[in-house]
Amino acid sequence: GENVEQHPSTLSVQEGDSAVIKCTYSDSASNYFPWYKQELGKRPQLIIDIRSNVGEKKDQRIAVTLNKTAKHFSLHITETQPEDSAVYFCAASRSGGSNYKLTFGKGTLLTVNP
Amino acid sequence: EAQVTQNPRYLITVTGKKLTVTCSQNMNHEYMSWYRQDPGLGLRQIYYSMNVEVTDKGDVPEGYKVSRKEKRNFPLILESPSPNQTSLYFCASSLSFQGGSNQPQHFGDGTRLSIL
Repeated sequence: GENVEQHPSTLSVQEGDSAVIKCTYSDSASNYFPWYKQELGKRPQLIIDIRSNVGEKKDQRIAVTLNKTAKHFSLHITETQPEDSAVYFCAASRSGGSNYKLTFGKGTLLTVNP
Repeated sequence: EAQVTQNPRYLITVTGKKLTVTCSQNMNHEYMSWYRQDPGLGLRQIYYSMNVEVTDKGDVPEGYKVSRKEKRNFPLILESPSPNQTSLYFCASSLSFQGGSNQPQHFGDGTRLSIL
């Protein structure tokens, strides 16, 4: 089955700096890669996603890049703010066939220091 | 308001006493799923359902059952709970994965289960 590795497990940055979280996946058939943000005590919420036919996607201060050949994708947050502090999860899934599982990485605790 | 509703939000119970966690969505989503979240392990999928009467195992299905008799509801059943099922559980739903188009999942607020 799919295996998603996420690094680093914790990340501390100064306000205004950039943050990068990286994930690798094992199943070359995976074609959908969402990122979720989970604030303390709350539910995961989608912040951005990318499909395998696209190499990069941007939404204001957040961007995701995908390298299908290397089977890795990354989340980039620029101009970080204290409210960006949360746990971030990457995930991978594929459609088609009989497997519709969504496999998550173990998460990255991002702390943005004022 | 579009939402996924889980009940109960918190439950403390004892080993072996059957329990059900309900999940309901009002977005007419075909796909529903259950996850458990444990420290250091992230979110792990327990079961998912592509549509009514269609369910399949995720990565950690042992000790759990599900049913999908109606499109909006996807209850999680623990027939004989054990302490290792103490966890934070999330239900999620999305439009169908079929047709080559994966869709974002919407999560409920979570259910914290403690099995003593």
